[in-house]
Amino acid sequence: EADIYQTPRYLVIGTGKKITLECSQTMGHDKMYWYQQDPGMELHLIHYSYGVNSTEKGDLSSESTVSRIRTEHFPLTLESARPSHTSQYLCASTEQGFTGELFFGEGSRLTVL
Amino acid sequence: AQSVTQLGSHVSVSEGALVLLRCNYSSSVPPYLFWYVQYPNQGLQLLLKYTTGATLVKGINGFEAEFKKSETSFHLTKPSAHMSDAAEYFCAVSDRGSSNTGKLIFGQGTTLQVKP
Repeated sequence: EADIYQTPRYLVIGTGKKITLECSQTMGHDKMYWYQQDPGMELHLIHYSYGVNSTEKGDLSSESTVSRIRTEHFPLTLESARPSHTSQYLCASTEQGFTGELFFGEGSRLTVL
Repeated sequence: AQSVTQLGSHVSVSEGALVLLRCNYSSSVPPYLFWYVQYPNQGLQLLLKYTTGATLVKGINGFEAEFKKSETSFHLTKPSAHMSDAAEYFCAVSDRGSSNTGKLIFGQGTTLQVKP
């Protein structure tokens, strides 16, 4: 069973608010990822990290930012939320020697009104 | 650039019937291939993967998939569907050049409905 946790699971907020989606894993994985998932659409990689103080933008442009100060923690922040940010955000991690198995959290479903 | 196409966004089968979910990929070299499953309100879970060796791979819950290089396909099958198989299924690829990065390209997903 994967030990990767996301909070909040559901969030409904108004336009212009700052939000942070939390992601933590207890497996000691160096590589962590944020994917954005819209209904009926593929997952799009928006951010990834190969370790502490390493962050990179993914294939899909996103106005969000991430940080990696500790191995186990990879939060995603939106400074000013807009309705276009409404989506599900999935966090994942994997071990250093990539075997193909990403471990996913249960997701954070964000609704911006 | 790599891409993944899942044919059919929605597949409906009767309980006990064969499950066939189609996946085709586009890649200049044979990639690593994966199937993930997502149950309602949960994250994704790895079903099976192909990296090297035998082209028919077996996964969890009775699923299997066959890598066919000539057809650039990696279709997922299960001989007999159970009600508990109802979920969203995602095919994904990772090219061998980026295999150490963990970056996957996902298809758009196929929703499997199982009718009693």
